[in-house]
Amino acid sequence: DAKTTQPPSMDCAEGRAANLPCNHSTISGNEYVYWYRQIHSQGPQYIIHGLKNNETNEMASLIITEDRKSSTLILPHATLRDTAVYYCIVRSGGSQGNLIFGKGTKLSVKP
Amino acid sequence: GAVVSQHPSWVICKSGTSVKIECRSLDFQATTMFWYRQFPKQSLMLMATSNEGSKATYEQGVEKDKFLINHASLTLSTLTVTSAHPEDSSFYICSASGNRPGEQYFGPGTRLTVT
Repeated sequence: DAKTTQPPSMDCAEGRAANLPCNHSTISGNEYVYWYRQIHSQGPQYIIHGLKNNETNEMASLIITEDRKSSTLILPHATLRDTAVYYCIVRSGGSQGNLIFGKGTKLSVKP
Repeated sequence: GAVVSQHPSWVICKSGTSVKIECRSLDFQATTMFWYRQFPKQSLMLMATSNEGSKATYEQGVEKDKFLINHASLTLSTLTVTSAHPEDSSFYICSASGNRPGEQYFGPGTRLTVT
C-alpha cells in the first residue's frame, strides 16, 4: 500500500471549516484513500473513503486531486468534538487486509 | 455502520497474571479480525490478524506464545495476554472485516494496566 504524508498538527476555530491535507504521490490505480479519526482513548472511527471522485457524507467531504497524488478531508463546520487525530490511509479497494496507520494529523478545534 | 464491541474497556492486573480481552462483531459476521496495540502518543501498531477457524498470523516481533489469539466464531475473537508484565500496559484495539471489500470497523479499545 502507498505511503501517506500528513502535517503533524493543525488548529481550527469552532464553526469554521477544517481542511486536512494528505499527500499520497505513490498511489496506484486500484488504491482507495480512506480517512479515519481517533478521539482520545477511543478506537478509530471511519469517516469516508474514495477512489478518484469527490465524496461527501454526513460527516465530511473528501476532495481528491485529478492526478490522485493528494487529497483533502473537509469538516465543513468543526466542533469541539471533532478534536482528534485524523489518519489518511491508502489501500487496495478489494483488500481485506489490515489498515496501516501513520502518525496522522492532530486536529485541535478551539472555541 | 457496523458495531464492534470490546470487553473489558479497562483492566488492571498484577504482574505475572493473564488477561483475556474479547472482541465481538455485533451485527455482522467478521471473517477477519485484527488486533492492534497503541502506546501513549503513538499510532496503532498491528499485532496479529486472525481468520475464523484458523491460526492467527502475528507481526514480526510479536510473541505468539505471549499474546494468544482465538477466533472461534464469526463474531468473536479473544486476545489473552499471558504472564503480563508492566511493559505490556497499553491500549489494545480490535477491528473486524466483513464480506464487503475494504470495510473495517474498530472496537472502542481496552486499556490494560499491569502493576
